[in-house]
Amino acid sequence: DTGVSQDPRHKITKRGQNVTFRCDPISEHNRLYWYRQTLGQGPEFLTYFQNEAQLEKSRLLSDRFSAERPKGSFSTLEIQRTEQGDSAMYLCASSFLGLAGGLEQFFGPGTRLTVL
Amino acid sequence: GESVGLHLPTLSVQEGDNSIINCAYSNSASDYFIWYKQESGKGPQFIIDIRSNMDKRQGQRVTVLLNKTVKHLSLQIAATQPGDSAVYFCAENKGHAGGTSYGKLTFGQGTILTVHP
Repeated sequence: DTGVSQDPRHKITKRGQNVTFRCDPISEHNRLYWYRQTLGQGPEFLTYFQNEAQLEKSRLLSDRFSAERPKGSFSTLEIQRTEQGDSAMYLCASSFLGLAGGLEQFFGPGTRLTVL
Repeated sequence: GESVGLHLPTLSVQEGDNSIINCAYSNSASDYFIWYKQESGKGPQFIIDIRSNMDKRQGQRVTVLLNKTVKHLSLQIAATQPGDSAVYFCAENKGHAGGTSYGKLTFGQGTILTVHP
């Protein structure tokens, strides 16, 4: 499978615990995005990387959230001291932005987080 | 403020009919638009996109129309099939923002399409 992959697919945790999600983008895609989606809503942008550089962060991304893409390939999203309001689907997407275009973002299956 | 929204939250059609899903956007600076299909428990699946220098683009059984005058986007699905049942989202991208190009997508709320056999 050469699409975007995410791990784990589901995560149940207790309030106050830390969780970390991983995203593997489509090979050679230079951009990687994180979004959050709650039931009945469209995805909301959290942050994105171009190669290793984090270029933009949403105001939704509180101090408890941190994302990394250390080698410009896979990325991790960590949530510290989880709260019940963090329960959502966390989606990763990737794209290749080049001179020929490539604006479309391809999404992974998501990680469903439930905070008890 | 900027927003991307949908006129109809639900659409129910018979198999074989054509479907039209509408989307309104308010940011005139948007210059790239995408339609996604999302099935239950899955991530959004790219359907078709269009840039603001075009007013129509066709794919396989799908057509996207862009009317910049009234800031309206539509997705037409020909000969709708039960497998087309899903939530459809439009999303916009403002091109150059903050010195970087084509970063985040802003999504609308979505339209639920139900296709009856």
